Amino acid sequence: GAVVSQHPSWVICKSGTSVKIECRSLDFQATTMFWYRQFPKQSLMLMATSNEGSKATYEQGVEKDKFLINHASLTLSTLTVTSAHPEDSSFYICSARDPGRGEYNEQFFGPGTRLTVL
Amino acid sequence: SQQGEEDPQALSIQEGENATMNCSYKTSINNLQWYRQNSGRGLVHLILIRSNEREKHSGRLRVTLDTSKKSSSLLITASRAADTASYFCVEQNNAGNMLTFGGGTRLMVKP
Repeated sequence: GAVVSQHPSWVICKSGTSVKIECRSLDFQATTMFWYRQFPKQSLMLMATSNEGSKATYEQGVEKDKFLINHASLTLSTLTVTSAHPEDSSFYICSARDPGRGEYNEQFFGPGTRLTVL
Repeated sequence: SQQGEEDPQALSIQEGENATMNCSYKTSINNLQWYRQNSGRGLVHLILIRSNEREKHSGRLRVTLDTSKKSSSLLITASRAADTASYFCVEQNNAGNMLTFGGGTRLMVKP
């Protein structure tokens, strides 16, 4: 399957700072990428859908001004958690879709980024 | 997005036994997928079953789909300790864009 990477794999930051997480499709072009958040022992919750060259579509309850998403190229999407607070501590996972590969509309997931806000 | 539900939430079995996990969903689906997640790691795609399919096999995995009951099951046969992980069923709707995740089943296989 296709490979999706995330960087960093983990990050610890102070409350009030901003953190940027990168999601890259390494061997394919992803017109659409997705950002998920997962709290401990819970399922993944879709935060937003990111389309290359256009604004992201956020799920209900997700603050777009707090979670800034940029999908500037076909291989890179970034999620910036602005003014992070301890309640933003979570596991953030991205996925990317390559319509030309894999089973129908299969999404390929990154390894995740664990964010801890002190 | 709406979440489906998985049953059981946690399952503990001995190595060699079979593990069955069930999933119910709420929307009309294009396909249903099962993923595995090791603790604190990313997701690994296991198997996809389309809405017009009823059963699918892949190695030790068997997936069934009942669209009339909006339910699916994942059977892992001859389980191994390495199968210990969380398993999620994931619905993909007819628009093909969104995945909604079930709550997951945490499987522990004891050696």
